[in-house]
Amino acid sequence: ETGVTQSPTHLIKTRGQQVTLRCSSQSGHNTVSWYQQALGQGPQFIFQYYREEENGRGNFPPRFSGLQFPNYSSELNVNALELDDSALYLCASSLGQTGYEQYFGPGTRLTVT
Amino acid sequence: RKEVEQDPGPFKVPEGATVAFNCTYSNSASQSFFWYRQDCRKEPKLLMSVYSSGNEDGRFTAQLNRASQYISLLIRDSKLSDSATYLCVVGYQKVTFGIGTKLQVIP
Repeated sequence: ETGVTQSPTHLIKTRGQQVTLRCSSQSGHNTVSWYQQALGQGPQFIFQYYREEENGRGNFPPRFSGLQFPNYSSELNVNALELDDSALYLCASSLGQTGYEQYFGPGTRLTVT
Repeated sequence: RKEVEQDPGPFKVPEGATVAFNCTYSNSASQSFFWYRQDCRKEPKLLMSVYSSGNEDGRFTAQLNRASQYISLLIRDSKLSDSATYLCVVGYQKVTFGIGTKLQVIP
C-alpha cells in the first residue's frame, strides 16, 4: 500500500454537471499530481501541485482546476462535464516536483452519461 | 512524434522466458526515467527507476541509452504473475507516460 487515498472510488455524473475528486498524499510528501487515464491509454498529466501552488499543467482546458491544502491533500474539480471526461482519475504523491518517484492512489472511476 | 512511444503489444511469452521492452522518448533534455507496472483496472505501481548506468532488481533490469533516446526493461524467468501492462515514464519539466506494453505470460 502506498498510503495515497482517493475518494470517491466510483462516480456517475450527467453531462454538464460538476465534480470534485479528493486525494490524500503519502505522509511526508509535499507534491501531488493528477492524471486522467482513458481506457487503453497511458495516464495523461493534468496538473501538479507543490506546496499549495500549481506547478505545471498538461493540455487540459480551464474547466479542470485544483487545489492543494496545507496538509498537502488535494482536490480536482471538473466543471461542465463532457462525455469524454469519463475515465480513471489518478492522483500521485511524491517528495518533490520532478525527478522523484510517484506513488499512486487507487483512482476514481468517473462515468459521465 | 509522440513524446514517449511504446509498442502496445501484447507480448505473449511462456513461463520462464526472457522478454524485453523498449521505450523511446523525444526530448533529449529528459532527466528522469521510470518503469511502472499496471494491472487491469488498478493504479500504476512503481517497478523501478532507471539510472544512467543501468540497474537491476531481481529478475528485472533497466537500461538507459541517452544517445539513442530510449530506455529498456528486461524481465528474466517470466512468471505468470508478471502479466500486466508496463508503463514507461519520462520526466523533464513534467512527467509523461507511454501508452504501456501489455505482457501476457502463458503456462
